[in-house]
Amino acid sequence: AQKVTQAQTEISVVEKEDVTLDCVYETRDTTYYLFWYKQPPSGELVFLIRRNSFDEQNEISGRYSWNFQKSTSSFNFTITASQVVDSAVYFCALSEAYGGSSYKLIFGSGTRLLVRP
Amino acid sequence: KAGVTQTPRYLIKTRGQQVTLSCSPISGHRSVSWYQQTPGQGLQFLFEYFSETQRNKGNFPGRFSGRQFSNSRSEMNVSTLELGDSALYLCASSPPASGRLSRTDTQYFGPGTRLTVL
Repeated sequence: AQKVTQAQTEISVVEKEDVTLDCVYETRDTTYYLFWYKQPPSGELVFLIRRNSFDEQNEISGRYSWNFQKSTSSFNFTITASQVVDSAVYFCALSEAYGGSSYKLIFGSGTRLLVRP
Repeated sequence: KAGVTQTPRYLIKTRGQQVTLSCSPISGHRSVSWYQQTPGQGLQFLFEYFSETQRNKGNFPGRFSGRQFSNSRSEMNVSTLELGDSALYLCASSPPASGRLSRTDTQYFGPGTRLTVL
């Protein structure tokens, strides 16, 4: 069965430090999609990135970067020069297909990031 | 473009009652998925609707049901509430305007409805 593991339950850093959130996944699908979502205290899940399984090119968006390594089934997320506003719970998710081209999201347990001033 | 909206944002009910939660997807999105978030079980898939049809359902008892209307708005209903139903219920909508939810579609989430069962 599909599974996503986020081993880091909580991380605390001081502002301006770099921080990496780990994500390891298990799937039998040959084509799949990986996602990162941010959940601030308000509760809404904010979409950050989607990566498909056949594209291992790393991506950078401002202070955010993602490292996808199929060989180790990992999709790690790095925040450079963290800011207090980055404090949130971050979820890694994997697509699980059903009924043709439809899918549901399998979420990891989340990593709570606290950025202290 | 307005995001996914969910109403109400907060609900307090007592055991045995029933509750209906509402979700309005992003304009043009035709698929709506529901997820339950609890401290113990995390985020779990409830069901997904497309064109007023339930296409898949997660591992939840029959007390959990839903429906979708012709304008893509969706409701979920929980009957005979139990204490364990206390959770944040999140709704997500997906593009495209075509007839199928593809693997490349991203699910965009609403702010959730926080249900407390006393």
